[in-house]
Amino acid sequence: AQSVAQPEDQVNVAEGNPLTVKCTYSVSGNPYLFWYVQYPNRGLQFLLKYITGDNLVKGSYGFEAEFNKSQTSFHLKKPSALVSDSALYFCAVRDYSGAGSYQLTFGKGTKLSVIP
Amino acid sequence: DGGITQSPKYLFRKEGQNVTLSCEQNLNHDAMYWYRQDPGQGLRLIYYSQIVNDFQKGDIAEGYSVSREKKESFPLTVTSAQKNPTAFYLCASSPYTGPNEQYFGPGTRLTVT
Repeated sequence: AQSVAQPEDQVNVAEGNPLTVKCTYSVSGNPYLFWYVQYPNRGLQFLLKYITGDNLVKGSYGFEAEFNKSQTSFHLKKPSALVSDSALYFCAVRDYSGAGSYQLTFGKGTKLSVIP
Repeated sequence: DGGITQSPKYLFRKEGQNVTLSCEQNLNHDAMYWYRQDPGQGLRLIYYSQIVNDFQKGDIAEGYSVSREKKESFPLTVTSAQKNPTAFYLCASSPYTGPNEQYFGPGTRLTVT
């Protein structure tokens, strides 16, 4: 089965500084990777995905992610953090569950706090 | 949250009662999913459905049941057999084919006392 790991439960960054939220994955075959963001008591919002092609993927709200096959990583980045970026971030990988069915397997989430 | 509605946003029940959570989507997606979210545990898949009148168990299906009688609707029943039902429940949908992202509803917070 595929899996993802988010090694940091919490990341703190000062407003205006660059931010990185880490994700590593374990898959058989080509990975399909996703990042989502969740604000308190809300559903998840899709940020970006990697399917194939350019290793640097650009997404919503100025976020981007770098796919690194040799390090099996898919870290989320933003050049300049905003206080409004404070939220819970989830990395996910598409998993094949048999009989033509696919599902997403999520990491445990990383809480990002941007300090004014 | 656009395109997927979950109701109610907050739900309170007494222990031993079954409760049904609503999920409706107008995105014309074939696949729908139910997740449970607990603090520090990420999202865990309860049930999913790829087409009408068909659904499969996810990782934590015990104590839950679903139906998929219409493409746009995928209600989840939390039965009295679920030992720890208090949680935040999220519904999602996606197109059936291709490496597509899932779209999530706003969630229902269930509290059982």
